[in-house]
Amino acid sequence: GAGVSQTPSNKVTEKGKYVELRCDPISGHTALYWYRQSLGQGPEFLIYFQGTGAADDSGLPNDRFFAVRPEGSVSTLKIQRTERGDSAVYLCASSEDSSRRYGYTFGSGTRLTVV
Amino acid sequence: AQTVTQSQPEMSVQEAETVTLSCTYDTSESDYYLFWYKQPPSRQMILVIRQEAYKQQNATENRFSVNFQKAAKSFSLKISDSQLGDAAMYFCAYSRQGAQKLVFGQGTRLTINP
Repeated sequence: GAGVSQTPSNKVTEKGKYVELRCDPISGHTALYWYRQSLGQGPEFLIYFQGTGAADDSGLPNDRFFAVRPEGSVSTLKIQRTERGDSAVYLCASSEDSSRRYGYTFGSGTRLTVV
Repeated sequence: AQTVTQSQPEMSVQEAETVTLSCTYDTSESDYYLFWYKQPPSRQMILVIRQEAYKQQNATENRFSVNFQKAAKSFSLKISDSQLGDAAMYFCAYSRQGAQKLVFGQGTRLTINP
């Protein structure tokens, strides 16, 4: 696609529920990143995929958060037993490779609200 | 751990004027990258400009330029001839060589007054 697509754009869920957030990167981009942006803050790194594997998941806050990228393109961020503190904008980005030559292309994010 | 600090939560400038946004960072690395991203209300982070630490020359992209002071660990963004479309949140970000993650500052909200 022309850009990084994230769905849904907005998601409201009840505390304790399970949610999945989807990221469709730019075609051919091998590197994919997830960030979380709380209100009034800069984005915080969650996880980085190179191809199908998670090369760095050091930013995942706890074991309720998990992400997959089974075919090396689309990625899903999964949050179990959601808490009100999980409310944030979840941003996905992709890049051609692991170099910083081109920078990342970000999507418009999914705004998650846990009520 | 690396940190990025943007000390100006909000800035405003008259249309067509010049404005400078400040950013400082803390790292013990010698080789790294620095970025400025723009985030309009659409939420998409848009790359404005990037700087490689080993390059002494300041990066420039049209109306956007940086003042990179490596010894002072300072990386400010200058926007010349400000336009209404420049209004947005601006984030400074750091990434060390060999790592993939970006470390962002807390952002500066830029308002352009017509």
